[in-house]
Amino acid sequence: EPEVTQTPSHQVTQMGQEVILRCVPISNHLYFYWYRQILGQKVEFLVSFYNNEISEKSEIFDDQFSVERPDGSNFTLKIRSTKLEDSAMYFCASSVSEQFFGPGTRLTVL
Amino acid sequence: AQSVTQPDIHITVSEGASLELRCNYSYGATPYLFWYVQSPGQGLQLLLKYFSGDTLVQGIKGFEAEFKRSQSSFNLRKPSVHWSDAAEYFCAVGERAAGNKLTFGGGTRVLVKP
Repeated sequence: EPEVTQTPSHQVTQMGQEVILRCVPISNHLYFYWYRQILGQKVEFLVSFYNNEISEKSEIFDDQFSVERPDGSNFTLKIRSTKLEDSAMYFCASSVSEQFFGPGTRLTVL
Repeated sequence: AQSVTQPDIHITVSEGASLELRCNYSYGATPYLFWYVQSPGQGLQLLLKYFSGDTLVQGIKGFEAEFKRSQSSFNLRKPSVHWSDAAEYFCAVGERAAGNKLTFGGGTRVLVKP
């Protein structure tokens, strides 16, 4: 059964460093998303991506964040200068209709 | 703006007993509703969805949910719980079937007693 994969599973970084979180969506899916879940809080939408451009983004998704689909298979989330409050689990999802989620990347900012 | 409330943060149920998880949503138009399950260390797995039609929907792992427009609810049920059902369950609402953000509830953690 096809699934969304994410790498790395856990990333530790220093405050102010750039991180890139990687996702491989399901191959025939058209829509791609990033969500995050801060420990003990709700899963929050960050951004959706369709036809090689951002289709919707939340208030959280400020200039520090960017997304890219550099080739036909990968979908990345970049955080330019990480803050302590960026520590969270980041989920990638893809869809034709309902969304399928990857296992997440736990980002720890020290 | 849409919102989802899951009133129960934790539920403990005995193995073999029935389970019902509550979900209330706030959305002005016809909602698209979902239930996801998250086992420890795993991602979010879709259990079932409601887009339109029959208000009682069947999902995987023996789960079902009923959409009640008058109560703005989409409660999840399982007649007989197995130990492997111990997990966190999330209700979510979207504006349309595809390509839209999901708004999640806070989740309900289910503990299954032997």
